[in-house]
Formats: sequence, structure tokens, C-alpha cells
Amino acid sequence: QKEVEQNSGPLSVPEGAIASLNCTYSDRGSQSFFWYRQYSGKSPELIMSIYSNGDKEDGRFTAQLNKASQYVSLLIRDSQPSDSATYLCAVNPDQAGTALIFGKGTTLSVSS
Amino acid sequence: GAVVSQHPSRVICKSGTSVKIECRSLDFQATTMFWYRQFPKQSLMLMATSNEGSKATYEQGVEKDKFLINHASLTLSTLTVTSAHPEDSSFYICSAPIMGGQSGELFFGEGSRLTVL
Repeated sequence: QKEVEQNSGPLSVPEGAIASLNCTYSDRGSQSFFWYRQYSGKSPELIMSIYSNGDKEDGRFTAQLNKASQYVSLLIRDSQPSDSATYLCAVNPDQAGTALIFGKGTTLSVSS
Repeated sequence: GAVVSQHPSRVICKSGTSVKIECRSLDFQATTMFWYRQFPKQSLMLMATSNEGSKATYEQGVEKDKFLINHASLTLSTLTVTSAHPEDSSFYICSAPIMGGQSGELFFGEGSRLTVL
């Protein structure tokens, strides 16, 4: 069974710090990886997508992918209280489709 | 603003009744939409893939006769929970592929929280 694992947290960081969120996946053939942010009671929104090994930066967010280790992470620099949310890691195991497999999410709490 | 609109956002119903949830793509056409379900503190679970003009594709373990999906137009998909029971209480979310985006990049609707008494 294809799985995506995340530490549920909560991960607590002070304002201005770097938050590091981690995710592992079981399907070695997966090609596409995503981070979605979900505020409490709301639906998810796409933060980052990454397809190649290495780092991908977008503003304060950096996604890191290591396919050999089946590991993907999200770094949030200069964390803000508004970043407090649940971050969902998602993997697309099938290049032809978009049936994402989601992790349970890591809850991030940024204190001011 | 929202590009995928879902209605209703909350619904409370009695056990045994049916509930319809609408998902609309705003200002774009979506030949495919996805219906997810999320229980508290759990991950999103894909229920089915809705295809415009054809039958939906259901994930293993999802009863197609209980969760009726209709994708009659390029901007509207509906999920009907038939004969709802308390165990069907959940957060139902639809999504559509982001226009011009890579496979897996999705817009999500606002979600519909169903409570079955």
C-alpha cells in the first residue's frame, strides 16, 4: 500500500525562526511531490510542488527532494504567526493521473 | 477569490436522508474533478474521480451506490450522499486541476462539513 508519512506535531517555533517539515513516502516510483497548507476548518491550498532532486525556493518557502531516500521536506524561513496551519505532504504516484496520496499533515504553531 | 466553489459549506441532516454537495469551477472548465473526504486529524482520502460526460471512477472501498457523482457539465460536479448515516459525517472537499499547472497541482473547493444526526 502506498503511504505518505508525516510527523503530526505540533511543531512549535518562535516568530522569525526556520520551520522544518518532513515527509517520507513508500512508492519509490513516485515522480511528483507537493506541499499543501490547510488552515483549521478550511480546505488545502498549494504551497509548493517539486519534481527533481534538490531544492526549490519560492519566497520564504524551500522544498527539498531526495528520491533516493524517499524524502521530501519543506523549510519555512522567517516564520510568521500566519504560517500556523497544518501542512500536508502529497505524492502523485502516477504520472498520468492526479490521484494524490496525502499524508496526515504536520501542525505548525508559530508563536509571536 | 475562490476558483472552485463548493456548496453548502455546512449541512446537518437526519440519518437516512440524502444530501447533495455541489462543486463548481469558476471561470474555467474542468473536465476532471476529484472528491476527497477528510475525517478529523486524518489525511485527505480520495473518494472518486469525476469525469465530465462519463461515469465517475471510484476508489477501492467507496460505495458508488451510496456516493453518487454526477459531472453533467464542464463547470459542475455533484456528490450526493444517499441514505446518510452518522459514520458519513465528515469534511467533503472537491478539487480541480490547476489550469496550466503540472499534474497534481489542484485547486480545492472550500469544503462541505456534513453532520449526520
